[in-house]
Amino acid sequence: GAGVSQSPSNKVTEKGKDVELRCDPISGHTALYWYRQSLGQGLEFLIYFQGNSAPDKSGLPSDRFSAERTGGSVSTLTIQRTQQEDSAVYLCASSSGLVRGQFFGPGTRLTVL
Amino acid sequence: AQKVTQAQTEISVVEKEDVTLDCVYETRDTTYYLFWYKQPPSGELVFLIRRNSFDEQNEISGRYSWNFQKSTSSFNFTITASQVVDSAVYFCALSAKYGNKLVFGAGTILRVKS
Repeated sequence: GAGVSQSPSNKVTEKGKDVELRCDPISGHTALYWYRQSLGQGLEFLIYFQGNSAPDKSGLPSDRFSAERTGGSVSTLTIQRTQQEDSAVYLCASSSGLVRGQFFGPGTRLTVL
Repeated sequence: AQKVTQAQTEISVVEKEDVTLDCVYETRDTTYYLFWYKQPPSGELVFLIRRNSFDEQNEISGRYSWNFQKSTSSFNFTITASQVVDSAVYFCALSAKYGNKLVFGAGTILRVKS
């Protein structure tokens, strides 16, 4: 079956613009996660969706960051008024109680000029 | 608070050598889960293993083996007879409960030279 997919693979934007990053989890996986990987900060948790429960947003760095998950499947991470420090690779992962571990997508490399 | 420490920033070995990647964790939870992931040059994180805090049995999978010791809060990863294809960044991670967010270590860059 297909793995986690993310789009776009690369995004270059200008400071101050909004961006949307998309994640398609593995079919049937109830949990979906967003992480960020940057040189200075390593791999950081951003937000976590589990079924119909309220998302865990404890990792979002500012109120410019938001995410939603529609229909328990696809998720969109939105960054408003992007800043240069938002430049990073944004990784999405999904998991199921029936499967060990979280399975990651290839990531979206975001560059803010 | 949870924390994962991978003290080895970078390791270089020659092909066929054995290599151990260290991982030390901190948590106040009595139930937790430990993971190892591999990130090859292509960039995609690949799941290698998950261990539960209540299962200290070591595990072997081919050339890979993992040593989990609660007494020292360590979850070390050994590659036997390393190969060039093992060159990657390896991350150790901790989760408070299954399915919860992962706290990652800083990663260890492994370079295997032929």
